Amino acid sequence: SQQGEEDPQALSIQEGENATMNCSYKTSINNLQWYRQNSGRGLVHLILIRSNEREKHSGRLRVTLDTSKKSSSLLITASRAADTASYFCATDSRGAQKLVFGQGTRLTINP
Amino acid sequence: DTAVSQTPKYLVTQMGNDKSIKCEQNLGHDTMYWYKQDSKKFLKIMFSYNNKELIINETVPNRFSPKSPDKAHLNLHINSLELGDSAVYFCASSQGQGVVNEQFFGPGTRLTVL
Repeated sequence: SQQGEEDPQALSIQEGENATMNCSYKTSINNLQWYRQNSGRGLVHLILIRSNEREKHSGRLRVTLDTSKKSSSLLITASRAADTASYFCATDSRGAQKLVFGQGTRLTINP
Repeated sequence: DTAVSQTPKYLVTQMGNDKSIKCEQNLGHDTMYWYKQDSKKFLKIMFSYNNKELIINETVPNRFSPKSPDKAHLNLHINSLELGDSAVYFCASSQGQGVVNEQFFGPGTRLTVL
């Protein structure tokens, strides 16, 4: 069964604006990861946040994790046209030894 | 110096045929995976191998048979292809076992079954 669910399914914003995507999951996790997929390409790892962390930054990316609510958010600041892609959260549930992906958020940055 | 490579990139074939997809990683990782991404972009794990040993077999039909000749290679053979097998198949690798760390994905193989 699907573990992570992203919200919204699609998001369209103007270049320079911030984009926020949310992910909810169901079971206890070791870590939560965010990936980007450009059209026709493989997934690229963006950031990993462990279950004992609350916030993590990487360049223009900020990820938060709230284990009490079983949710995470990915914020992309000062968006660029090149950020247009699908973004997936993936959870590593304890004992599962695998990542379970959500259905993704399709982000479009309009110039 | 591609990290995770897959061949072929595109595969178009008739129902009932048998086909193989190859994957190689040069990252020195211990664990490799096969994923299937359907037309709605939903990505689901099929298999994982750690040091050539099968770790995960996610209720995939036995027409799908992975083979790992060494820890740098993980191939996927599909027998008696069906229309529903049409999808993009991704290979991935990561270091370690147990807790899943960052995964590196290949470019994908788009399989179309006619």
